Order: sequence, then C-alpha cells, then structure tokens
Amino acid sequence: QVQLVESGGGLVKPGGSMRIACAVSGFSFSDYHMNWIRQAPGKGLEWVSNISSSSGDSNHADSVRGRFTISRDHAKNSLYLQMNSLRAEDTAVYYCARGRFYMDVWGKGTTVTVSS
Amino acid sequence: EIVLTQSPGTLSLSPGERATLSCRASQSVTSNYLAWYQQKPGQTPRLLIYDASNRATGIPDKFSGSGSGTDFTLTISRLEPEDIAVYYCQQYVSSFTFGGGTKVEIK
Repeated sequence: QVQLVESGGGLVKPGGSMRIACAVSGFSFSDYHMNWIRQAPGKGLEWVSNISSSSGDSNHADSVRGRFTISRDHAKNSLYLQMNSLRAEDTAVYYCARGRFYMDVWGKGTTVTVSS
Repeated sequence: EIVLTQSPGTLSLSPGERATLSCRASQSVTSNYLAWYQQKPGQTPRLLIYDASNRATGIPDKFSGSGSGTDFTLTISRLEPEDIAVYYCQQYVSSFTFGGGTKVEIK
C-alpha cells in the first residue's frame, strides 16, 4: 500500500544540523512532487519545502530559506530535508507529504527538537 | 502571501447536528485552489476536499466543500463522535499556506 515513513529526527542544539528522510513505497515516487510540512507543539500546520517530480525545481518557505535544503533520490525512493543553523522555533513534527498542489498522502512524521 | 483565517476557533455541537466551518482568504483564491484536511487527536492530517468542492478518495459524502473567491466553507452534515478533530484549510494558488484550524468538539 502507499506509505511514507519519516526518520532521522531527534534532539539537536541550536545552531546545529540534522538531516531527516522519508522512505516511500507503494507508488511511483518519480512521478510525484513531494513536500515537507511541519507542526510545532500544539500549533497548526506550516508548509516548509517542496520539490518537483524531476528534482528540477524546489521551493522553501521564507522561514527556512537559506538554511534548509530539500532533495530526493529516485534510486532509493527517498526524500530528504537537510536542516542547518537550527533554531528553537524549528522544533516540530516534520511530515513528508505527496502532492503538487494539495497533499493526498502523509507520513506519520518525525520529531525534531532544537534545544540546548 | 495569502493569509487564511478560519472561524470559529472552536465549534461545539451535539451529535447529529450540522457543522459549518469557515475559511476566509486575504485575497482571491483563483481557480478554487483550496483544500481541507482533518487531523484527529494524535494522528496525521488527512485530505478531505480539494479544489474547494471535490471529495478526496474514500471520504464520505457527509463532508462537503463550497465557496469561491475569498470565502470557503466545509460542512459536516451529521456530526458523529468520530469527527472530533481539528480541520485546516490550505490554499495552493501562490505557494502554500494553511489556516489556523477549527477544532470541532462534541457537546
């Protein structure tokens, strides 16, 4: 069945780096745009980044531009988010989600905590 | 950036009642590029409605979306305990933004 499984979250100090991943199965990964969306504790949803099906185009929210980089590996059916210069306000559950416009499949999320 | 404002913040209704959730945009959402999601407590968001009024695969017809321009509505025709959740709208006209959510409770 269609499945997205995030991994790589954890505790990191302010200013540190972390890479989270999303393993995809059950559909043709290379045919779909993919996204990262985050949810801070007790808060709403915030779109973070997306990448086109061909990896030719990527976009990032203003809040993370210049610090986060989205990428994908079609051979490994995986999506990544490299996060640098992390701040306390980046603490959130990070979801990967499929879709060019609306997000029709979501993973269960991985928690990133930025704290000293 | 298109800002989405959802109201009310919390909606408390009895089982069987109709729930009406509002999503207002700061500028026109052209082509009705608006989606609705349901997030039950402790769960992942689930797509309910896309393009303002199209139900996603497997979504029961008690959920319906309507609206255009800057005003959109999600209606739950007969509220059941399993509908307890936070509901979010999202626009995809210009980048992506989500509304702040409406929490639906059962009285």
